[in-house]
Amino acid sequence: EADIYQTPRYLVIGTGKKITLECSQTMGHDKMYWYQQDPGMELHLIHYSYGVNSTEKGDLSSESTVSRIRTEHFPLTLESARPSHTSQYLCALGQGETDTQYFGPGTRLTVL
Amino acid sequence: KNQVEQSPQSLIILEGKNCTLQCNYTVSPFSNLRWYKQDTGRGPVSLTIMTFSENTKSNGRYTATLDADTKQSSLHITASQLSDSASYICVVSDRGSTLGRLYFGRGTQLTVWP
Repeated sequence: EADIYQTPRYLVIGTGKKITLECSQTMGHDKMYWYQQDPGMELHLIHYSYGVNSTEKGDLSSESTVSRIRTEHFPLTLESARPSHTSQYLCALGQGETDTQYFGPGTRLTVL
Repeated sequence: KNQVEQSPQSLIILEGKNCTLQCNYTVSPFSNLRWYKQDTGRGPVSLTIMTFSENTKSNGRYTATLDADTKQSSLHITASQLSDSASYICVVSDRGSTLGRLYFGRGTQLTVWP
């Protein structure tokens, strides 16, 4: 198992606000991922990183951006939140040869 | 098109009963298949992972099977408990890219009643 943390767990904000969702891990894993999940739907990969200063866009187009300045942190930023960004955001790290995904608890974002 | 289909979409069973969840996939090439349990409002937690050469794997009361020829997997839950109420997600990984892309099913929502 791996320790992966996300803050905040819940966030309600108004349209146009800039927000940053935090994701951190303590085990020094290189591979980290951000997924977006709407209720009852499958997870969609929006960003991933294979190490410091490495970030790539995932399968689902997203208006968010990420950074990986330190191995431990992989924050996701929305410059101007909109109601369409309302969703659950899950951070994960990949471990081992099979890249088994270990997920954080998620951030439930609501944009009014 | 690479896809992962799960059935049923939802399932209600009584505590103590067994159940089986199904996963069919069209992902190719195939690397491995994982089953995750996701409690409401939480992140998914890995239950089992099977590679091409494995056809069954157990984790406590959870037993997953894989038929790579027919591209089918099942997750069998024995003697269900109230805490088994969750969404169970099937995830298939290909080996055709550097990323080793993951394909997620929409999950089966299991409810266990007392």
